[in-house]
Amino acid sequence: EAGVAQSPRYKIIEKRQSVAFWCNPISGHATLYWYQQILGQGPKLLIQFQNNGVVDDSQLPKDRFSAERLKGVDSTLKIQPAKLEDSAVYLCASTQKGTSGRVEQFFGPGTRLTVL
Amino acid sequence: TQLLEQSPQFLSIQEGENLTVYCNSSSVFSSLQWYRQEPGEGPVLLVTVVTGGEVKKLKRLTFQFGDARKDSSLHITAAQPGDTGLYLCAGALSASKIIFGSGTRLSIRP
Repeated sequence: EAGVAQSPRYKIIEKRQSVAFWCNPISGHATLYWYQQILGQGPKLLIQFQNNGVVDDSQLPKDRFSAERLKGVDSTLKIQPAKLEDSAVYLCASTQKGTSGRVEQFFGPGTRLTVL
Repeated sequence: TQLLEQSPQFLSIQEGENLTVYCNSSSVFSSLQWYRQEPGEGPVLLVTVVTGGEVKKLKRLTFQFGDARKDSSLHITAAQPGDTGLYLCAGALSASKIIFGSGTRLSIRP
C-alpha cells in the first residue's frame, strides 16, 4: 500500500513570495490533515478535511494561508505572502475511519520550507 | 484549552540505560497514539492504546494508558542508538479532534 505522498520535499523562497505544497493521501482515506511543525516541536494542526469539506481550520492564518481539497482526494496548501516565521516543516497526514475511537494518522515525509 | 503535556522535553542517556517518557492531560481521550519521528521524515505510528489501564509492548518499548485515559507513558528498556529520535504522543478527543504533545527528543549515546 502506497503511503502519503508530498511534494516538494524542500523549498527555499524569499519573504513575501508565494509557495504551494501538494499532498496525496493513502487511497480511501477520507480525512486529511495539514500540520506545521517548527523544529523540535510537536505538529500544530493547520486544517483538517473530511472528504472535500473543512472540519477544522481554527488555527489556519487565513490572511496568508489557504488550502483546498476539491475532489476529496489530493490537497494543496498555499502561503501567500510568506513570512520568515513560516519556516517550518509542513506535514500532511491521512486517516481512514477507525473503530472504537481509534484515530491512527499516517504521515507523509513533509515539505521543509525555508523563508529567507 | 486542551493541552497534552509531554515530559521530559529532552533526554540524553547512555546506551543500555532505561528511560520513561510521559504524556499528561486533564482531558479524557478515546485513544492515544505514540509516534517516533526521525530527522527529515514524518512521524511513524508506534502504537495505539484505547482501554484505560492498557499495556502494550513492542520489543523493548512498553506503552501504558492511564486508568482514566488522561495520561500515558512510554518506557524503553536497554536503550540503543537506533532509538534516537523525536517521540510524540497524540490524544484523540474525538474522531475529528486530535491534539499532539510537544515531543521528547531522545538521544542515545553509544
